[in-house]
Amino acid sequence: LAKTTQPISMDSYEGQEVNITCSHNNIATNDYITWYQQFPSQGPRFIIQGYKTKVTNEVASLFIPADRKSSTLSLPRVSLSDTAVYYCLVGDRSGGYQKVTFGTGTKLQVIP
Amino acid sequence: DVKVTQSSRYLVKRTGEKVFLECVQDMDHENMFWYRQDPGLGLRLIYFSYDVKMKEKGDIPEGYSVSREKKERFSLILESASTNQTSMYLCASKIAGEQTQYFGPGTRLLVL
Repeated sequence: LAKTTQPISMDSYEGQEVNITCSHNNIATNDYITWYQQFPSQGPRFIIQGYKTKVTNEVASLFIPADRKSSTLSLPRVSLSDTAVYYCLVGDRSGGYQKVTFGTGTKLQVIP
Repeated sequence: DVKVTQSSRYLVKRTGEKVFLECVQDMDHENMFWYRQDPGLGLRLIYFSYDVKMKEKGDIPEGYSVSREKKERFSLILESASTNQTSMYLCASKIAGEQTQYFGPGTRLLVL
């Protein structure tokens, strides 16, 4: 399983763009990159997933460079409700079952 | 919408008691997971099940067992609860071959 490294915490003011970078140096050819968001007292929820280049949805964008050894989750114009822990995961999408490692995530605090 | 439910949001038990945590999903997912989440340690996988009656140990299975008699239900059993099992327990499910996991709201267990 590819190990991921991300910052423990980040602060941002409301209205700013936030970029959270995740390192995954030993990512395998079949691995996808997935980000989850977890609010206090709730389970994590899926935000975005990608394999290479850029993926965008209504919540966030995911930038993946050509070597795929890192990825950056971008949250445009954050609000107080974006305060949460963000997890980066790397894993094979082809398996019928697999273990994934969530790690400790990045705690984002949005400040008014 | 995928729905994953857990039998209790909060639970208080005494040391030595046998504890059952139930998880039910309504989307016919093959794979189901039990995690525990502790401050500073992120989510750690206890057990997962890739199909009915199938189970695999996760990273921290000691002191726990699981049961998957029906596809929609995955139970976590603490045979003899101990204070170091006080934690938030999260259940998740997913489609086999996909990476996205869907989480329940969690059960906060306190063992006295």
